[in-house]
Amino acid sequence: EVQLLESGGGLVQPGGSLRLSCAASGFSVSSYAMGWVRQAPGKGLEWVSGIYGRGGSTNYADSVKGRFTISRDTSKNTLYLQMNSLRAEDTAVYYCARRDYEEGGSCYRYWGQGTLVTVSS
Amino acid sequence: DIQLTQSPSFLSASVGDRVTITCRASQGITSYLAWYQQKPGKAPKLLIYAASTLHSGVPSRFSGSGSGTEFTLTISSLQPEDFATYYCQQLNSYPFTFGGGTKVESK
Repeated sequence: EVQLLESGGGLVQPGGSLRLSCAASGFSVSSYAMGWVRQAPGKGLEWVSGIYGRGGSTNYADSVKGRFTISRDTSKNTLYLQMNSLRAEDTAVYYCARRDYEEGGSCYRYWGQGTLVTVSS
Repeated sequence: DIQLTQSPSFLSASVGDRVTITCRASQGITSYLAWYQQKPGKAPKLLIYAASTLHSGVPSRFSGSGSGTEFTLTISSLQPEDFATYYCQQLNSYPFTFGGGTKVESK
C-alpha cells in the first residue's frame, strides 16, 4: 500500500528555515516523480516544486525559486523540502504527492496528509 | 506559465442535480489535465486524469471531457458526499498550475 507521511512543520520566524520530510512506503522515491503542493489558510492549491524520478532534475514555482530546495534520500525513502528565507506568505499546509504517468497524461495520484508551516514573529 | 481559469468559483446545488465545472487553460495542454476533490481539513483526492479517465474507485457519476484549452468536470447526479471543493491541474509543463477551485455547496 502506498503511503506518504509528512513531518517537520511548525512555527518559524520570518527569515528562518525549516525542512519538511515526506516518508514514503509501498514504493521507492527514486522510481517516481514527486512534488510538493501547498495551501494557504482558506485559499486554493499552489504547486511548489517537483523532482523527477530518474535523474532527479528539479523544478520550482517562481514564488519559491532560490529559497526552497527539493531533494530525496533513497536510503531513507524520503522526500524533503528545505525552506529558507521564509516569509509570512509561505504560511500554508504543505502536501507531498507522487506523480504517476498514464496514457495521455499524468497526475498526482497519492497525497500525504499535509503538515502546517506557520511563518510569524 | 500556463494559467487555469475555473468557473464558477461557487456553485449552489441540490442532491440529484447535474453539475458542470469548466476549466480553461491559457494555452494548449493536450489532455494533461487532472481533477481533484478536496474536503475541509483533508488532502485532495484524485478524481480524473488525462482529462477524461476516471481514477480507480471513483463513482461513475463523475466524468471529464475536453482537450487543448477547454475542459469540463461533470457530476451527473450530485450526492451528499459530493459537496466539496474541486480543482483542475495541468501537468503539461512546469509549473504545474492549479485552477482557483470551485466550491460546491448545498442549496
